[in-house]
Amino acid sequence: AQKITQTQPGMFVQEKEAVTLDCTYDTSDPSYGLFWYKQPSSGEMIFLIYQGSYDQQNATEGRYSLNFQKARKSANLVISASQLGDSAMYFCAMREANSGYSTLTFGKGTMLLVSP
Amino acid sequence: ETGVTQSPTHLIKTRGQQVTLRCSSQSGHNTVSWYQQALGQGPQFIFQYYREEENGRGNFPPRFSGLQFPNYSSELNVNALELDDSALYLCASSLGGSGTAPVNEQFFGPGTRLTVL
Repeated sequence: AQKITQTQPGMFVQEKEAVTLDCTYDTSDPSYGLFWYKQPSSGEMIFLIYQGSYDQQNATEGRYSLNFQKARKSANLVISASQLGDSAMYFCAMREANSGYSTLTFGKGTMLLVSP
Repeated sequence: ETGVTQSPTHLIKTRGQQVTLRCSSQSGHNTVSWYQQALGQGPQFIFQYYREEENGRGNFPPRFSGLQFPNYSSELNVNALELDDSALYLCASSLGGSGTAPVNEQFFGPGTRLTVL
């Protein structure tokens, strides 16, 4: 079973508008972390935002916010006031604490294109 | 920039050959994780090294092996290359080998693009 599901292969948004990228996850571990990364065409994974499973409030980092709905197991990324430089692949990832080490499990990603 | 470097940037090999990819971790980090990202997919965990020992492995065959050195830099070795090994290989460094807290956040390098012909 997929641990991280991103159902939107691609999204289009106009500059200055807000966009929501969907992510659902599956885990039986009560302690986990959820991440969003941006990957431009250069390949480097750029950390955007983090949400811990026990965090009471939704995470925010500048123009990025995470809409965390624990009961629904969803962690959607909201980008406000989109910019042309936001065009990239976006990955949702989950970290579970395995025995002795922690790894990131990634979804398949969503390609975001921002038009002028 | 994260301070994590990888070399080489690009590499072309033929089937059956062997390849070594290198990663220098961010200063102060003692853990390196390697991921394989096939075209159009998300990264998949290969293995993790913590203080020079492999302490976790994903679903990859033994021909994928690694090393971590006393300065915490790391190598990924792939033997008997197959066409499906063509991918972007990412390494990520972090502090500590376990846990889910942001302190264990992984910082990624720019990756090595491997093409197997």
